[in-house]
Amino acid sequence: DAGVIQSPRHEVTEMGQEVTLRCKPISGHNSLFWYRQTMMRGLELLIYFNNNVPIDDSGMPEDRFSAKMPNASFSTLKIQPSEPRDSAVYFCASSLIPGTARFGPGTRLTVT
Amino acid sequence: DAKTTQPNSMESNEEEPVHLPCNHSTISGTDYIHWYRQLPSQGPEYVIHGLTSNVNNRMASLAIAEDRKSSTLILHRATLRDAAVYYCIENQAGTALIFGKGTTLSVSS
Repeated sequence: DAGVIQSPRHEVTEMGQEVTLRCKPISGHNSLFWYRQTMMRGLELLIYFNNNVPIDDSGMPEDRFSAKMPNASFSTLKIQPSEPRDSAVYFCASSLIPGTARFGPGTRLTVT
Repeated sequence: DAKTTQPNSMESNEEEPVHLPCNHSTISGTDYIHWYRQLPSQGPEYVIHGLTSNVNNRMASLAIAEDRKSSTLILHRATLRDAAVYYCIENQAGTALIFGKGTTLSVSS
């Protein structure tokens, strides 16, 4: 399979701009996760969808962050407005068997 | 927060076995033990998981203590490509994986 596909791979934007990260999970997987990784905070869970429904969004930092999963093959993570502290690598992962998630290559976001 | 405890770093020589320890003293009876690793500049990848019995796959072996309060990931012959951060995770089925800081494994030739 093509694995989890994320786009863009790199994003550089200015503070205050809207950023949209995209994820295509592996076909047939029914769970999707968004994680954020920084040196200071490590790998943090942002949100977890099951069958396109958000199950746990307690990790979403604040109202500036929103995530959607309109269908089983697509999800977005939006940051509006972006801030320098949002700079991180954002990973999308999907799974069929709980606990055996496949991660995408990540999107490296830099907010200046 | 992550509920497991792992050493911050370990070193190994190529071609030698590596035993990566993990403590999960508060694990519940239905929590699985998962191991993931993250190679430099890549996303985490699944290594192995188990519940009570020891497990083997093509990548590694997982030895689980009888009381389930600790486990050990065994790489039988380390290669340079095994240099990565290794994460041990307690996970209740149907919930998302919560990562801790993991163990950074260095492999020398």
